[in-house]
Amino acid sequence: QSVLTQPPSVSGAPGQRVTISCTGNSSNIGANYDVYWYQQLPGTAPKLLIYDNNNRPSGVPDRFSASKSGTSVTLAITGLQAEDEADYYCQSYDRSLSGSVFGGGTKLTVL
Amino acid sequence: QVQLVESGGGVVQPGRSLRLSCAASGFTFSVYGMHWVRQAPGKGLEWVAVIWYDGTNKYYADSVKGRFTISRDNSKNTLYLQMNSLRAEDTAVYYCARGPPNWGFGALDIWGQGTMVTVSS
Repeated sequence: QSVLTQPPSVSGAPGQRVTISCTGNSSNIGANYDVYWYQQLPGTAPKLLIYDNNNRPSGVPDRFSASKSGTSVTLAITGLQAEDEADYYCQSYDRSLSGSVFGGGTKLTVL
Repeated sequence: QVQLVESGGGVVQPGRSLRLSCAASGFTFSVYGMHWVRQAPGKGLEWVAVIWYDGTNKYYADSVKGRFTISRDNSKNTLYLQMNSLRAEDTAVYYCARGPPNWGFGALDIWGQGTMVTVSS
């Protein structure tokens, strides 16, 4: 069981907006540690999507954004496209574990 | 271009050892913290270990503490993961990933292609 909790799956039609939640606790997200998001396309290595809560690396479209509230962070994807179909993971630091932690991952299906 | 290439994976019997390598190129390796992350077949990502840019600090996931050792040779631009007392549950694709400069924990902005480790008798 992952320290950070994500829904196993979400889905949406092309053009729609979907959100993926990532819920932690007072030892990680609630302690104000930065949260990062990764996209993993089938059969490939993960790719950094969002860093430091809501910044995008060069090349990541602004359709991807994140927001934080308390012990949860939410990734939002607007204007859903077929190429967005992938697994998405959140990551943060956990002070009680003295290590990095990942969410269990969310599979996004574009209908 | 900026690149990480893992090697050293394979099939190993339970209780045996294996050493993974990760060759870095296209950036100043000695400036960045480096991580190992693994992914069991059909499962999610699991953070394994981090080493500071200068090797001074190392941290491990509880699942590998005492069995795995992360190290680096900045003169060879190479990261290592020494895995001892391997168990079936260590079977996974192992990725090396670049962390932030002059630190350890942070965003993992560059990933290798991964190397498969299978622990089986």
